[in-house]
Amino acid sequence: DGGITQSPKYLFRKEGQNVTLSCEQNLNHDAMYWYRQDPGQGLRLIYYSQIVNDFQKGDIAEGYSVSREKKESFPLTVTSAQKNPTAFYLCASSIDRDSNQPQHFGDGTRLSIL
Amino acid sequence: AQSVTQPDIHITVSEGASLELRCNYSYGATPYLFWYVQSPGQGLQLLLKYFSGDTLVQGIKGFEAEFKRSQSSFNLRKPSVHWSDAAEYFCAVAGSYQLTFGKGTKLSVIP
Repeated sequence: DGGITQSPKYLFRKEGQNVTLSCEQNLNHDAMYWYRQDPGQGLRLIYYSQIVNDFQKGDIAEGYSVSREKKESFPLTVTSAQKNPTAFYLCASSIDRDSNQPQHFGDGTRLSIL
Repeated sequence: AQSVTQPDIHITVSEGASLELRCNYSYGATPYLFWYVQSPGQGLQLLLKYFSGDTLVQGIKGFEAEFKRSQSSFNLRKPSVHWSDAAEYFCAVAGSYQLTFGKGTKLSVIP
C-alpha cells in the first residue's frame, strides 16, 4: 500500500543537539510538507517542497532545516536553535504543487526534550 | 492571507445523537475547503473536500459538509454519531501552495 512513513515514532533530544526526523513517501507525490502540532494550536507549517531540490519556508521555519534530494524523501532537522522543540511533527504530501490537492499525512513523530 | 476559525474547542455528544462542527473561513477568492480527522497519536485523515459545484459534499464515515458562501462557513455534520467518531476534527482552507488549518475541535462521545 502507498503511504507516508515517518520515523521514529518517538524521539528525545538533549540540550544543544540536532535531531533529524525522517519522512518517506511512495505515493509518487511532487509536493511534501512539514507541520508542527501543539495542543490547542492546530497545525503550523514549518517547510514545504513543491519539487526536488527546492523548498520554501513556512510560517515557523526558525530553528528548523530541510532537504529534498530525492522525490520520496523530505527529512526535517530540528536544530539546537529551536528553543522549544517539544511537539508532535507531521509530514504530508500532495500529488502536485496546487494547493487544492488533498494532503496525505504520516502518523507523526513526537519529539521531547531530555 | 487566509484563515480558519473553529469556534468550538471541545464538544460532547451522546452516541446516536446528531453532530455539527462549525468552521468559518476567510479567503478572498473561491475557497477550496477540507475537513480532516485525527485520532490520538495519529496523523490526519481526509474526510471530505469542497472545490466547486454542489454545496453539499459527502465524505467518508457518513460525514457531510455544507458550503455557505454568504456565511463563509463550511460546517461538518453527521446524523448519528458512533463511539468511534471520538477524535479531533480540523477544517482547512487552501491558499497559495499551502493549507491553513483551524485549531481543531475535539469530539467526545458518551456511550
